[in-house]
Amino acid sequence: DAMVIQNPRYQVTQFGKPVTLSCSQTLNHNVMYWYQQKSSQAPKLLFHYYDKDFNNEADTPDNFQSRRPNTSFCFLDIRSPGLGDAAMYLCATSSSGLHNEQFFGPGTRLTVL
Amino acid sequence: QKEVEQNSGPLSVPEGAIASLNCTYSDRGSQSFFWYRQYSGKSPELIMSIYSNGDKEDGRFTAQLNKASQYVSLLIRDSQPSDSATYLCAVDTDKLIFGTGTRLQVFP
Repeated sequence: DAMVIQNPRYQVTQFGKPVTLSCSQTLNHNVMYWYQQKSSQAPKLLFHYYDKDFNNEADTPDNFQSRRPNTSFCFLDIRSPGLGDAAMYLCATSSSGLHNEQFFGPGTRLTVL
Repeated sequence: QKEVEQNSGPLSVPEGAIASLNCTYSDRGSQSFFWYRQYSGKSPELIMSIYSNGDKEDGRFTAQLNKASQYVSLLIRDSQPSDSATYLCAVDTDKLIFGTGTRLQVFP
């Protein structure tokens, strides 16, 4: 089945220790997104790739970076995680066109100690 | 600022009843509207998309859109305990804007 895969599902890191989250997709979608979701809050868009073009949200901290080496994979790097970065990180994909239907992976739950 | 508003709930309905979830949005230029279901600790799952005024039915789910009133709703017929989740309304402007969700509880 075509899907969006995220690894790891759970990540524990220490304050200030860099961490990388990964996302892969078999949907062949050209747009990939990273969202941050905290408890009882709406998903917050961090950035997205339209093909290879990177689009950063204005309020995304510099601590968050992303890479998309090919169509299928996308990575979220958190350079120096703080306690406030503990959240669920969601990867989503969509196919560019008239309607922006986005399909989410299972998410990575990040804990910062 | 473009906004999507939902009642946070919880909305409690008995098994077999109709659950009605509502959403309003601020950007009149929005063209695409989505409902996602999110179980606790899980990621959002797309359950309905609607793009034109009126009703769209899919199984027990009906989405309703009224662009003049800037209002989207989701009806769940014959509610089941397995429908208990948070339902997120999402509106596409130049990006997808999510509401904070309505928590639905279906009790036996």
